[in-house]
Amino acid sequence: QSALTQPASVSGSPGQSITLSCTGTSRDIGAYTFVSWYQQQPGKAPKLIIYEVNIRPSGVSNRFSGSKSGNTASLTISALQAEDEATYHCSSYTAISTVVFGGGTKVTVL
Amino acid sequence: VQLVESGGGLVQPGGSLRLSCAASGFTFSGHWMHWVRQAPGKGLLWVSHINSDGTATDYADSVKGRFTFSRDNAKNTLYLQMNSLRVEDTAVYYCATSLEMGTLDAFDVWGQGTMVIVSS
Repeated sequence: QSALTQPASVSGSPGQSITLSCTGTSRDIGAYTFVSWYQQQPGKAPKLIIYEVNIRPSGVSNRFSGSKSGNTASLTISALQAEDEATYHCSSYTAISTVVFGGGTKVTVL
Repeated sequence: VQLVESGGGLVQPGGSLRLSCAASGFTFSGHWMHWVRQAPGKGLLWVSHINSDGTATDYADSVKGRFTFSRDNAKNTLYLQMNSLRVEDTAVYYCATSLEMGTLDAFDVWGQGTMVIVSS
């Protein structure tokens, strides 16, 4: 199972919106609505911020939103804040009943 | 709600190590559990999952045949037996679960991780 493809880095200025992409195949992202996004601060465990493509767990800011089109999922961070600087990982359920992650995107707030 | 991993350390290539993950604060026996690892400076890699009663497991291709995932619901504890370890198994190993979502893929509870270093 190959990893999902994410850009290595994305940057934006405070207040801007940025969109992170996550590209898979017809055997993972393209086949299911089980796409999740995680935020990871250095030295910490990942934190779930989006599941089932576009659902936010309770307590997660509504500045985070998710979507999917075909084999590509996206995470949009609106009104970017300094605290959003972190690495973001996407994941998807797969046709062989496993989970596949992307390589992670480091978000820098300029 | 807490997951606490232990058992990491330095091991030589070809060696073995057993990781544990102690769960508390939720009905452990009702949930599928997972191991996810992260090599230094790299992304996350799903390693394995086990169903709620421990009768079914799946593994990533990279560890299949070398790692064994088990659980003891009486002790609220997971075990990952890692054999024939390779340098590329070096990583922080996290146990995780989908507690509120109850899905097989969205992990809302994670441990703090335990570091495994495979080196001669």
